Amino acid sequence: NAGVTQTPKFRVLKTGQSMTLLCAQDMNHEYMYWYRQDPGMGLRLIHYSVGEGTTAKGEVPDGYNVSRLKKQNFLLGLESAAPSQTSVYFCASIMGQGGITGELFFGEGSRLTVL
Amino acid sequence: GNSVTQMEGPVTLSEEAFLTINCTYTATGYPSLFWYVQYPGEGLQLLLKATKADDKGSNKGFEATYRKETTSFHLEKGSVQVSDSAVYFCALSDRGGATNKLIFGTGTLLAVQP
Repeated sequence: NAGVTQTPKFRVLKTGQSMTLLCAQDMNHEYMYWYRQDPGMGLRLIHYSVGEGTTAKGEVPDGYNVSRLKKQNFLLGLESAAPSQTSVYFCASIMGQGGITGELFFGEGSRLTVL
Repeated sequence: GNSVTQMEGPVTLSEEAFLTINCTYTATGYPSLFWYVQYPGEGLQLLLKATKADDKGSNKGFEATYRKETTSFHLEKGSVQVSDSAVYFCALSDRGGATNKLIFGTGTLLAVQP
């Protein structure tokens, strides 16, 4: 069972470069999320989606864009990377539909360094 | 808005010691409450949950009781092991609302020494 898969696992960027993180889930989940994890800050929600073709802003959306063209994939884009975006990024998914009472499934994380 | 406050770490314990990690929350309505655990180099995994007041979630020797009167969901374990060393996150969901999001606390690092 693959669950939630994130690619790439590691990436080093220069300031101003762009990149896309891919999240794929094979559980037919409706809801998908992108979080960033920083020391002392816990997990902060960047963007999320409650279904194919939908996206919404989370707590810290600036500098990021997302797309959910297919139900199983949720892409996180950085158009012009900044050092402040150095972080570990986690994708998560859940069946959803009526609120979150069950388990959120997480990917293993993608470590991004912006020089 | 909804929020979760956890005790700051790190928490350092000897093997077989008793563990408590405090978590309090602020929420409108009736949220569901969760504890997630993150082992080194991995993503988060659900440890336990409670969906209504007075519910007790339990798993792997860990327990937490949903206390509406004190807005708390403290994590406890009677005897910790070295393998319990990890970061623990308390979280809540706005079950009755339309946000469909989990709000996480900042995490508490637990280090268990042999």
